[in-house]
Amino acid sequence: KAGVTQTPRYLIKTRGQQVTLSCSPISGHRSVSWYQQTPGQGLQFLFEYFSETQRNKGNFPGRFSGRQFSNSRSEMNVSTLELGDSALYLCASSLASGENTDTQYFGPGTRLTVL
Amino acid sequence: GNSVTQMEGPVTLSEEAFLTINCTYTATGYPSLFWYVQYPGEGLQLLLKATKADDKGSNKGFEATYRKETTSFHLEKGSVQVSDSAVYFCALSDQGTGNQFYFGTGTSLTVIP
Repeated sequence: KAGVTQTPRYLIKTRGQQVTLSCSPISGHRSVSWYQQTPGQGLQFLFEYFSETQRNKGNFPGRFSGRQFSNSRSEMNVSTLELGDSALYLCASSLASGENTDTQYFGPGTRLTVL
Repeated sequence: GNSVTQMEGPVTLSEEAFLTINCTYTATGYPSLFWYVQYPGEGLQLLLKATKADDKGSNKGFEATYRKETTSFHLEKGSVQVSDSAVYFCALSDQGTGNQFYFGTGTSLTVIP
């Protein structure tokens, strides 16, 4: 079974631009979560989508948004990029069976650099 | 609320040394507990998990026991190898908060020959 895939793997943007990152979950997984990882802040939760609805949200400004499609693929968008948005963005998928034993499986991440 | 606290790193060990990385948690419900590992330039990989009190998760020589009385899930390995050099994350999921995971800050481990 294929793992979680993220595209693109690397991205360079300039301040003020916007960016869209894509995540394809493991087949059959219905939940997709996004995280931002930086050396200073560590791993921070952005949001989680389940059945095309945002179910949980972290403490990030409204410039960060996401969506999920009917096939469970997800995208996240960052508008008006700032230098501090440079980070590794990780996507994780899970079955979301409703059981507490669900495991999140991570993709390799998208490395975003804002100049 | 839910939170995870990990021991600060970085940790440097010689090959074949014993490893312990401490992890304690706070949860409102009955969480499942996880250890993930991240190698340079990669995403996080599940290392092991435990879903109820007194469960022991194990994988690749690593072990962790879910201790409800001490709210801990310490990671141990009897003899580390250079290839174990990575960043280790402790995490919990609590059904009461849907599928949201809570991660510790990560502990960097370097094993020297």
